[in-house]
Amino acid sequence: QKEVEQNSGPLSVPEGAIASLNCTYSDRGSQSFFWYRQYSGKSPELIMFIYSNGDKEDGRFTAQLNKASQYVSLLIRDSQPSDSATYLCAVPHGSGNTGKLIFGQGTTLQVKP
Amino acid sequence: GAVVSQHPSWVICKSGTSVKIECRSLDFQATTMFWYRQFPKQSLMLMATSNEGSKATYEQGVEKDKFLINHASLTLSTLTVTSAHPEDSSFYICSATRDSLNSPLHFGNGTRLTVT
Repeated sequence: QKEVEQNSGPLSVPEGAIASLNCTYSDRGSQSFFWYRQYSGKSPELIMFIYSNGDKEDGRFTAQLNKASQYVSLLIRDSQPSDSATYLCAVPHGSGNTGKLIFGQGTTLQVKP
Repeated sequence: GAVVSQHPSWVICKSGTSVKIECRSLDFQATTMFWYRQFPKQSLMLMATSNEGSKATYEQGVEKDKFLINHASLTLSTLTVTSAHPEDSSFYICSATRDSLNSPLHFGNGTRLTVT
């Protein structure tokens, strides 16, 4: 079992819709969770991070964490074509060091005008 | 604004030569920096942890003699790919956190290395 799993997609949504990106992780002791956006040919850009169960909202983005189910998701409201990118879920290595991240394969999101 | 700066953005070199990539933290001192690598269509993989004033820590399967890391100051880490081969062609990305226990990781712009 991979340590961080994501559906590679592509996930296609129409402009203005809600995009829902999902991630599961295997280490039940994980305490922090990160979502990065990566445009083709570019380095990852931090979108959100979440430490506590529940929802965390930042503008059009909402991260949802359920530690009991080992599941973290990212919702993008009012999706725009500029949101089209690969979204990477990441969890720190067992040590908890947030610099040593284990990344999922990423989900490619396509927002169609 | 950018938190971590990386240079060069891309480099093409001949097989057998060495390439140096620089990574700087811009507005904070980073005692630790991290080097990742990403092959096409794959996700990021941690290569090594760069420690200021001491030896780098390499992940399993990463050759320390091939990927030389120097962290000579609190704001600069360098990665040198020695005797590069075509299979070393990849996207190398450095990163740093303000506080590795609590702060999120920020990435540099990455270096696209092509070895011919």
